Amino acid sequence: GENVEQHPSTLSVQEGDSAVIKCTYSDSASNYFPWYKQELGKGPQLIIDIRSNVGEKKDQRIAVTLNKTAKHFSLHITETQPEDSAVYFCAASIKGGNQFYFGTGTSLTVIP
Amino acid sequence: ETGVTQTPRHLVMGMTNKKSLKCEQHLGHNAMYWYKQSAKKPLELMFVYNFKEQTENNSVPSRFSPECPNSSHLFLHLHTLQPEDSALYLCASSQDPRGDSPLHFGNGTRLTVT
Repeated sequence: GENVEQHPSTLSVQEGDSAVIKCTYSDSASNYFPWYKQELGKGPQLIIDIRSNVGEKKDQRIAVTLNKTAKHFSLHITETQPEDSAVYFCAASIKGGNQFYFGTGTSLTVIP
Repeated sequence: ETGVTQTPRHLVMGMTNKKSLKCEQHLGHNAMYWYKQSAKKPLELMFVYNFKEQTENNSVPSRFSPECPNSSHLFLHLHTLQPEDSALYLCASSQDPRGDSPLHFGNGTRLTVT
């Protein structure tokens, strides 16, 4: 089955700096890659997603890039703010399959 | 009310107890899921329901018993649990169970088995 690896497990940045979280996947049939943000005491919330027919997608300060050849995708957060502090999860799924494969999460701390 | 609602938020139970977790989605989605979230581990899929029919049981022990009476409600019945079952249990829904529409999660039930 699919295996998703996520790095780093923890990340601290100064407010205003950029943060990058990287994930790799193993199954070339994976074609949908969502990113989730989980704040303390809450469930994961979708923040951005990308499909395999697109190389990059941006939504304000958040962007995701996908390299299908290398089987990796990354989350980029620019101009970080304290409210960006949370745990971020990447995931991959195969069209026609019925489950998502999640990374182990990255705990991001933005230092004011 | 919108989104995915889970009750209770916290549950402490002994190994001989029987309890149930409840999930309700107000998004008009067709698929519902139970996930287990443990520290330092990826989210573990437990069960998938599509239009009330169970389509996935990810080798979950029989002490966990799901029930989906309709496409808006999902239950997880618990009995004779073990301490290692302590975790955050997340319910989710999606429009399409075929893996290319996003999951919408509830805030989870924090379960402690004593």
